[in-house]
Amino acid sequence: NAGVTQTPKFQVLKTGQSMTLQCAQDMNHNSMYWYRQDPGMGLRLIYYSASEGTTDKGEVPNGYNVSRLNKREFSLRLESAAPSQTSVYFCASSAQQVGRENTEAFFGQGTRLTVV
Amino acid sequence: AQKITQTQPGMFVQEKEAVTLDCTYDTSDPSYGLFWYKQPSSGEMIFLIYQGSYDQQNATEGRYSLNFQKARKSANLVISASQLGDSAMYFCAMRERNTGGFKTIFGAGTRLFVKA
Repeated sequence: NAGVTQTPKFQVLKTGQSMTLQCAQDMNHNSMYWYRQDPGMGLRLIYYSASEGTTDKGEVPNGYNVSRLNKREFSLRLESAAPSQTSVYFCASSAQQVGRENTEAFFGQGTRLTVV
Repeated sequence: AQKITQTQPGMFVQEKEAVTLDCTYDTSDPSYGLFWYKQPSSGEMIFLIYQGSYDQQNATEGRYSLNFQKARKSANLVISASQLGDSAMYFCAMRERNTGGFKTIFGAGTRLFVKA
């Protein structure tokens, strides 16, 4: 029972490099999310996708792009990494939709990204 | 503007006693949901409890209960009979409707320390 799978688990980038964080869920969820977690700031929403083919900005979208490749996969791309993007990144998914508002989000294990 | 506020960065509680973790929120959406998650030191996010804005009764799940005061826009988590394994970060989250669908945002968290 895989749930939400994120890759990689750890990554070190140099300033200016690009990379894509991958996320896949096998629960047939319609909504997917990318968060970053920084000490003292909780989880901040970067982007989310309410359904396949749609994406929307969250609280801190600058410096990131996303792709909802299909219902299962939601990737996060850093085009030109900056030290301020050093963080732990979480992907999450949920079945949230009208009539099913009480469904919680399921989280991946997180990606620890360091930009030097 | 901060939509989810957790004013207690850290809390201490004696084992077997009850503890209340505060959460206030701000939304103009009449239909919203409130969630609490636990994050142990291992880093995973664990769903604890849900409260819908239209629910008449406070949610309960085992030793967890949610003290929902809609007029005050507060959704405090009460943990009864604390155990050492309850030591963790606790996040309050709110799901609200947006033009792009539902999105869930988190507070900054409260770190709970349970003392033997």
